[in-house]
This record gives sequence, C-alpha cells and structure tokens, in this order.
Amino acid sequence: GDSVTQTEGLVTLTKGLPVMLNCTYQTTYSPFLFWYVQHLNEAPKLLLKSSTDNKRTEHQGFYATLHKSSSSFHLQKSSVQLSDSALYFCALRSQGGRALIFGTGTTVSVSP
Amino acid sequence: GALVYQYPRRTICKSGTSMRMECQAVGFQATSVAWYRQSPQKTFELIALSTVNSAIKYEQNFTQEKFPISHPNLSFSSMTVLNAYLEDRGLYLCGARDHGTANSDYTFGSGTRLLVI
Repeated sequence: GDSVTQTEGLVTLTKGLPVMLNCTYQTTYSPFLFWYVQHLNEAPKLLLKSSTDNKRTEHQGFYATLHKSSSSFHLQKSSVQLSDSALYFCALRSQGGRALIFGTGTTVSVSP
Repeated sequence: GALVYQYPRRTICKSGTSMRMECQAVGFQATSVAWYRQSPQKTFELIALSTVNSAIKYEQNFTQEKFPISHPNLSFSSMTVLNAYLEDRGLYLCGARDHGTANSDYTFGSGTRLLVI
C-alpha cells in the first residue's frame, strides 16, 4: 500500500540557519505530495503541494521539489525563523487512493 | 473560501462512554470526508474515508463498530467513538475534499481533542 517516510523526528537549529526535512514515499500510482505545518494546539495547514516532476514549488519561504525518480519531496528553507517552530507532516495522495496518507511528522524547534 | 468547522473542539468523557464529533463543510461540497486520529505519539492515522454514495472504507485497526461514521450529504459528516478508553485519546481530525474540483485539496477542521478519564 501507499506509505510516506519522514526520517527525522526532531530537528533543532538556530534562527537564520537552513533546514531540510526529508520525505520519501511509496506508491504504484501517480503521486500528489503535500507538506502540512501544525502549530501547537492547531489543525494542520497546507504549506506546499506538487504533482509535477522536477518542478520546484515555493510558499512562505519554504520550497520543495518532487522527484519521482527517487520518490522524494524534501522540504527546505534557506533561513529559519522562530515562528517556524512547529510540527511538519509530509503527505501523499495517490491516484489510486482518495485519502491523504501522512508521514510520522518532524518537529522543528528553532532557538534564538 | 473552503472551510471545515469541526466541533466540539475538545471534550472529556468517562471511560466506557461514547462521544460524537461533527464536521461541517462550508463553501464547497464535501464529496469525500476522511477521519484521522493523531495520537500522543503525533502520527496521523487514517481511520476511514467516507465518500458520498459509496461505502465507507475503514482502515486496518479501525472498525465501524467502534467508530461509526455518518455522511448523509455533501456538507456534513459525523463520527462517534463508542466505548472510549484511554487508548482512544488524542486529536481527531476531519478533512473534506470536493471531487468536482480538479486537483482539489483536503480542507481540515480544527480537530476534536478527546480526553478520556
């Protein structure tokens, strides 16, 4: 079945540094990948999405490129801010399925 | 815009009792509604996917007998947690999607946080 893997459970870094959160997926269908951000006590909000191979998508300083050859959709930001401290989920919706499958999430903690 | 209202925001129920949560889609047609549970370990587990005019599909480890879902029209869905116990605590999230819009995304509600005492 479909699955999403996020390898980092917790990423801690200092404000101003770059960050990359890993996301790989498995599906036999054409994939649609998403990144959601969840702040404390809130519902997850859509950050980025893509179904186009090798095309970079950006929003609020975050960017990601779907690479179907490596089944990856890593999230990056050049310079993190304190407000980026949150839980980040990678999610997959495949053509064969209609529900989103979430990864296990990565907590990002940014210190001053 | 598309919004999903989910209520209650939080609830406490006694062990062995049941609680019902509801989701209301505004501004779009909720053709599919997916229900998730975020456990204290933070993973979002898919409980079931409900599509109007189709059978509700439950994921492994979740059953209709424990989590009955109603999806009577294109704007409303509810789910009940029957005989709730400690392991049922967590944040329950509903997400709705309009199949009539190409490449539409899921819009999520704010979640219902369930505490079991």
